Amino acid sequence: KQEVTQIPAALSVPEGENLVLNCSFTDSAIYNLQWFRQDPGKGLTSLLLIQSSQREQTSGRLNASLDKSSGRSTLYIAASQPGDSATYLCAVRPDTNAGKSTFGDGTTLTVKP
Amino acid sequence: GAGVSQTPSNKVTEKGKYVELRCDPISGHTALYWYRQSLGQGPEFLIYFQGTGAADDSGLPNDRFFAVRPEGSVSTLKIQRTERGDSAVYLCASSLTRERTDTQYFGPGTRLTVL
Repeated sequence: KQEVTQIPAALSVPEGENLVLNCSFTDSAIYNLQWFRQDPGKGLTSLLLIQSSQREQTSGRLNASLDKSSGRSTLYIAASQPGDSATYLCAVRPDTNAGKSTFGDGTTLTVKP
Repeated sequence: GAGVSQTPSNKVTEKGKYVELRCDPISGHTALYWYRQSLGQGPEFLIYFQGTGAADDSGLPNDRFFAVRPEGSVSTLKIQRTERGDSAVYLCASSLTRERTDTQYFGPGTRLTVL
């Protein structure tokens, strides 16, 4: 059974810092990995999707990497802003059943002005 | 076009009642997913549709839960004899297909409270 862990559970940084969020998964046979952002009381917004054959994806100040063999992904946020404050979730879809995603419990990020 | 929409946004019901939660996916998306999210946790997979058929319903907790997608577009999640433990946010997502590159787009969720 796939298990996804996100560390730390919460993170508080001053504005302007670069930071890294971690996601680890137990089964490396994945279809893809997706990073989401969730604001309080809202649904999930997709940030980046990394296919199993890729090692990283970039969008603006965000960079996500994937190391399948070690079961790890990181989300790097450059020059953090207060508007980045949210919960960040990673989700993996397995090779054997591409419809079924397993999510971590998220990292709640607070960026202080 | 419009994103994924879910109705109602909030539903309060009494223990033992029947509820229906509706999801309107993005037009043209063939894959549709239902998840349940409890406070402080990530979404938990319930069921996945490809077209009209349920391709995987292994996440449904028991036979009180059922979902349909009769025309391959709108989906309804049905919960019979609701229990207090069913209280959660129910999220729906859709994707164009189930290909490797397909992003899941989520709706805002329905917050279900069972009293």
